[in-house]
Amino acid sequence: KAGVTQTPRYLIKTRGQQVTLSCSPISGHRSVSWYQQTPGQGLQFLFEYFSETQRNKGNFPGRFSGRQFSNSRSEMNVSTLELGDSALYLCASSLYGGGETQYFGPGTRLLVL
Amino acid sequence: GENVEQHPSTLSVQEGDSAVIKCTYSDSASNYFPWYKQELGKRPQLIIDIRSNVGEKKDQRIAVTLNKTAKHFSLHITETQPEDSAVYFCAASGGSNYKLTFGKGTLLTVNP
Repeated sequence: KAGVTQTPRYLIKTRGQQVTLSCSPISGHRSVSWYQQTPGQGLQFLFEYFSETQRNKGNFPGRFSGRQFSNSRSEMNVSTLELGDSALYLCASSLYGGGETQYFGPGTRLLVL
Repeated sequence: GENVEQHPSTLSVQEGDSAVIKCTYSDSASNYFPWYKQELGKRPQLIIDIRSNVGEKKDQRIAVTLNKTAKHFSLHITETQPEDSAVYFCAASGGSNYKLTFGKGTLLTVNP
């Protein structure tokens, strides 16, 4: 099976702009989670989607949003970008979410200038 | 919510020595504890996991132990090799929260 893919792999934006990142899960996986990774902070949970429904959300401002499509592909959007949003954004997929193995994509590295 | 503490943040060992990384969690409902390895510039990859109905699990040179009463779990790597050098993350999940909470990671360096 093909692994989790993410596009684009790299992005450079300026403050105030918005960005949309995409994640395609492993075929058959219905749960997609998003994480923000920054040096020293590890992986911080953004949100998790299952069958097009957001089941859990982390402690991020409302500028961070996401959605999932009927084919389980997911997107996350960050509006009004701030310098502190520069990070590696990882998505992970699993069959049903929760207490099971999550498989990570390669990530999208976002740089906000 | 769940909080996972991981120690140490950096660990340097000589090739062939053992390495131990420890994590504690706060939510007694957590029942799934995976460990991920992330090499520089690569995605995190699962190396071993344990569920709350098991106290220890081994896979070749890697083992994980879980103490539910104390709410801590540990990763043990024996006979370390330079290719074990990476950042290791512990995580916890459980109940109906559908998310993994990660520790902040341990940078392991294995010196030849």
